[in-house]
Amino acid sequence: GEDVEQSLFLSVREGDSSVINCTYTDSSSTYLYWYKQEPGAGLQLLTYIFSNMDMKQDQRLTVLLNKKDKHLSLRIADTQTGDSAIYFCAAVSGGYQKVTFGIGTKLQVIP
Amino acid sequence: DVKVTQSSRYLVKRTGEKVFLECVQDMDHENMFWYRQDPGLGLRLIYFSYDVKMKEKGDIPEGYSVSREKKERFSLILESASTNQTSMYLCATRSPSGETQYFGPGTRLLVL
Repeated sequence: GEDVEQSLFLSVREGDSSVINCTYTDSSSTYLYWYKQEPGAGLQLLTYIFSNMDMKQDQRLTVLLNKKDKHLSLRIADTQTGDSAIYFCAAVSGGYQKVTFGIGTKLQVIP
Repeated sequence: DVKVTQSSRYLVKRTGEKVFLECVQDMDHENMFWYRQDPGLGLRLIYFSYDVKMKEKGDIPEGYSVSREKKERFSLILESASTNQTSMYLCATRSPSGETQYFGPGTRLLVL
């Protein structure tokens, strides 16, 4: 089955750019998601990208997809303290379009 | 905006009790999912349903069952709660196109 991996922790200074990386294993994955989870809350869908796209930009967020390497990244420009959260990468694959999540990357923004 | 609601934010139950977790969505989506989230393990799929009265096992269905009698409602049932089922439970629904998956706020369950 699909396996999604991401680093556990990232620390950046306020105003800098953050880049959170993710790798997945199933080359037939159709969609890839980025979710944000703040403490005690559910998951908030930040953005998604189709597998036939290389890049998607949405305000401060830029998603890059390297399908050959099965590598996905989320760049947050001008990172703010409110961006501190856990970010989950997820990939959709298989007949039932199952969603497999990474373990989550905790982003710490230092003022 | 899609709204996914879960019946409780926090729940405390005793070992052996039967526990019902309810999830309701307001967008007429066919696909609904139950996950549990544990520190260091991320989200794991328990069960999902792609239509009324249809259900499929996810990665960790043991100790759980589900019910989907109406399209908008997907229930997770712990037949006999155990302490290792203490967790955060998240319900989700997916748009028909498959592009987006929306989550409820979660239910934090403590089994004593």
